[in-house]
Amino acid sequence: DAKTTQPNSMESNEEEPVHLPCNHSTISGTDYIHWYRQLPSQGPEYVIHGLTSNVNNRMASLAIAEDRKSSTLILHRATLRDAAVYYCILRDAGNAGNNRKLIWGLGTSLAVNP
Amino acid sequence: GAGVSQSPSNKVTEKGKDVELRCDPISGHTALYWYRQSLGQGLEFLIYFQGNSAPDKSGLPSDRFSAERTGGSVSTLTIQRTQQEDSAVYLCASTEQTGLNSPLHFGNGTRLTVT
Repeated sequence: DAKTTQPNSMESNEEEPVHLPCNHSTISGTDYIHWYRQLPSQGPEYVIHGLTSNVNNRMASLAIAEDRKSSTLILHRATLRDAAVYYCILRDAGNAGNNRKLIWGLGTSLAVNP
Repeated sequence: GAGVSQSPSNKVTEKGKDVELRCDPISGHTALYWYRQSLGQGLEFLIYFQGNSAPDKSGLPSDRFSAERTGGSVSTLTIQRTQQEDSAVYLCASTEQTGLNSPLHFGNGTRLTVT
């Protein structure tokens, strides 16, 4: 079973911010929070990852709750090209065997309206 | 630069036939993964290669599935005596380093349909 839970779908308008939530209440101390997205007919694409502190990169921002039981991926200005399935997964940095067997849920399907 | 390349992009085969799926990882990437994505399900880990180490085959669903990686680069996933439940998108990914947070770079997958 996936270690994270996400809403099945979300909708946004173009050029507006999008906040994609993820719950991971059973996260362990060595789990990093990773986000990937998958555009139609493509493989998943890395977006961002973090452990405790909020993270920013050119694609998005990651806000991590203080208790680390939830996180939010923030797209600051959604574009039509951001329409994709967004996956929140945990990577165990303390166990190589667990680390490679990433457990992926069904993700959140984001629709962006023009 | 070139990303992970998978071929064929689509494969339709009859039940009982064998199929081979190919993955060309990014040059210099030492780790290679195979995943399966079935309709309505999340990605399922199949097998992992790291350099010259013995592969982690723990995700292979049956002995009909096998994979090899020649010369530390190209990998082939073979499914023997295909069944309809094998229909899925087979994804390959590679990572640059052995670091446990190295981003996975995925190919666009091979869509396998078993009729």
